[in-house]
Amino acid sequence: DGGITQSPKYLFRKEGQNVTLSCEQNLNHDAMYWYRQDPGQGLRLIYYSQIVNDFQKGDIAEGYSVSREKKESFPLTVTSAQKNPTAFYLCASSTGTLNTGELFFGEGSRLTVL
Amino acid sequence: GDSVTQMEGPVTLSEEAFLTINCTYTATGYPSLFWYVQYPGEGLQLLLKATKADDKGSNKGFEATYRKETTSFHLEKGSVQVSDSAVYFCALSDQGRNTPLVFGKGTRLSVIA
Repeated sequence: DGGITQSPKYLFRKEGQNVTLSCEQNLNHDAMYWYRQDPGQGLRLIYYSQIVNDFQKGDIAEGYSVSREKKESFPLTVTSAQKNPTAFYLCASSTGTLNTGELFFGEGSRLTVL
Repeated sequence: GDSVTQMEGPVTLSEEAFLTINCTYTATGYPSLFWYVQYPGEGLQLLLKATKADDKGSNKGFEATYRKETTSFHLEKGSVQVSDSAVYFCALSDQGRNTPLVFGKGTRLSVIA
């Protein structure tokens, strides 16, 4: 089945450690996104990528990094510089231009910093 | 910049009650409007959309009408079920600019039997 796969579903990290969240899609979509979800805050855009080897910062990119070496993969690294990394992270993809508005989401990764 | 404002939740309703979740928007361009739904423990999925004024989007018994005069896109359902319990997000995209979707903060709906 076509879709977006995020892993791991749950992740625990000690303070000061970097962690990488995986996002893979087999929908042949050009654009991919990372969002952070916190209670009462809605979805906030971290990074997005329209094509391979190119990505842009979203609203809250500080403390995060991404790469887009393959069309189907868009991993997110939460670095030790991120002050409050405990959150639910959602990856999404879309076809066509960014403003098509029809995003396909993965099931999310919940990161807890101990 | 563009923004979306949703009614604060949580909203708690009895089964078969009428649902309205308010959404208003601010946009410099000409937006398309969307409602997404997030069931517990899952990602979001597109519920319905409308791309021009007076369009009505509908799906699974939910409806929303694009009202340009009131800059609104309220979500309605005539008779909610327990399975409709979820978080609902209103969103917009600017048809004139190649920029990502802008989401509201979400409204949590709980339906009790």
